[in-house]
Amino acid sequence: KQEVTQIPAALSVPEGENLVLNCSFTDSAIYNLQWFRQDPGKGLTSLLLIQSSQREQTSGRLNASLDKSSGRSTLYIAASQPGDSATYLCAVRDDYKLSFGAGTTVTVRA
Amino acid sequence: EADIYQTPRYLVIGTGKKITLECSQTMGHDKMYWYQQDPGMELHLIHYSYGVNSTEKGDLSSESTVSRIRTEHFPLTLESARPSHTSQYLCASSSYHEQYFGPGTRLTVT
Repeated sequence: KQEVTQIPAALSVPEGENLVLNCSFTDSAIYNLQWFRQDPGKGLTSLLLIQSSQREQTSGRLNASLDKSSGRSTLYIAASQPGDSATYLCAVRDDYKLSFGAGTTVTVRA
Repeated sequence: EADIYQTPRYLVIGTGKKITLECSQTMGHDKMYWYQQDPGMELHLIHYSYGVNSTEKGDLSSESTVSRIRTEHFPLTLESARPSHTSQYLCASSSYHEQYFGPGTRLTVT
């Protein structure tokens, strides 16, 4: 059974600092990996999707890397803003189902 | 506009009532999912469907049931609600690569 772990569980940084969020998974036979953002009491918004054959994906200030052989992905958020405060979830896809980590809750202080 | 909808967004109901949580998507996706998420906790898959008349139980045991009579519609039913069913329920659908989530239904059973 796929196990997904996200470290740290919570992170508080001053505005402008770069964020580094880590995700690890136990079974490297994945189709892809998705990073999501979740605001309190809301649904999930997809941020980045990395196919298993890719090493990284970028969207604006966000960059995600994938090292499938070691079972790791990292989400980088450059020049953080208070609006980046949210919980960030990593999910890996086996077949057509996703396995989620517990998330990293980020607070960006103005 | 292609999207995924959930109704109601919030529901407070008494013990023993029958409830149905609605989920609809306009993206033409065959695959749809229901997740349960307790506050501050990770998402757990409770039901999924790979197409019309196809439903499967997920990783987390649930007393709820689902049906898939139309491609765009995937309702979840609780025959007799209990306080232990209090949670957030998230519906999702997926293309070949990516999952998209609805806004969620926050259920409180008193």
